[in-house]
Amino acid sequence: AQSVAQPEDQVNVAEGNPLTVKCTYSVSGNPYLFWYVQYPNRGLQFLLKYITGDNLVKGSYGFEAEFNKSQTSFHLKKPSALVSDSALYFCAVRDPNTGGFKTIFGAGTRLFVKA
Amino acid sequence: DTEVTQTPKHLVMGMTNKKSLKCEQHMGHRAMYWYKQKAKKPPELMFVYSYEKLSINESVPSRFSPECPNSSLLNLHLHALQPEDSALYLCASSPDSGRGDTQYFGPGTRLTVL
Repeated sequence: AQSVAQPEDQVNVAEGNPLTVKCTYSVSGNPYLFWYVQYPNRGLQFLLKYITGDNLVKGSYGFEAEFNKSQTSFHLKKPSALVSDSALYFCAVRDPNTGGFKTIFGAGTRLFVKA
Repeated sequence: DTEVTQTPKHLVMGMTNKKSLKCEQHMGHRAMYWYKQKAKKPPELMFVYSYEKLSINESVPSRFSPECPNSSLLNLHLHALQPEDSALYLCASSPDSGRGDTQYFGPGTRLTVL
């Protein structure tokens, strides 16, 4: 079965420090991986995606993610965290068994950035 | 225009009411989605429309009825809901249903069923 795991319910980091939000996946075939962010009472905002090519993907708001096929991981990173980065982050993969119609989301990781 | 709009932002309804949620996008996307999201949980897929045809129904109860009048609009008709249906309802669209296509989400409708 296709799945996405975010092993941390919550990540705490001080402003200015680097942050990492972890994601691992289990998908048959080539994975198409996404990161979304959700602020309170808002919809999900697209941050970045990996389709093919360079394993380091750069996205919105200074975020980047590294695709690691051998470790089946797609961790989200930012060199210097901002208080405004505090939000709920979802890793996701499009389900190949449904032709891409379905998106499988991780459980989400809440990021707290302390000033 | 890279925006998905949803109306209303908030909706409170009784269990005997009939109401509708609306979603609109003008990005020329051909796939549109309805999701239900409970607090601090990931979105759960309800329905997918592709080229204005229902492609996926995730065994959603019949008290939820989707409609896609045209390629830009998506409605969700609600009737005889239960309190446990209270949630944030998200609409999304993508250029197509391809695996690499990014989904763009609207801000959601916060539904409360009394």
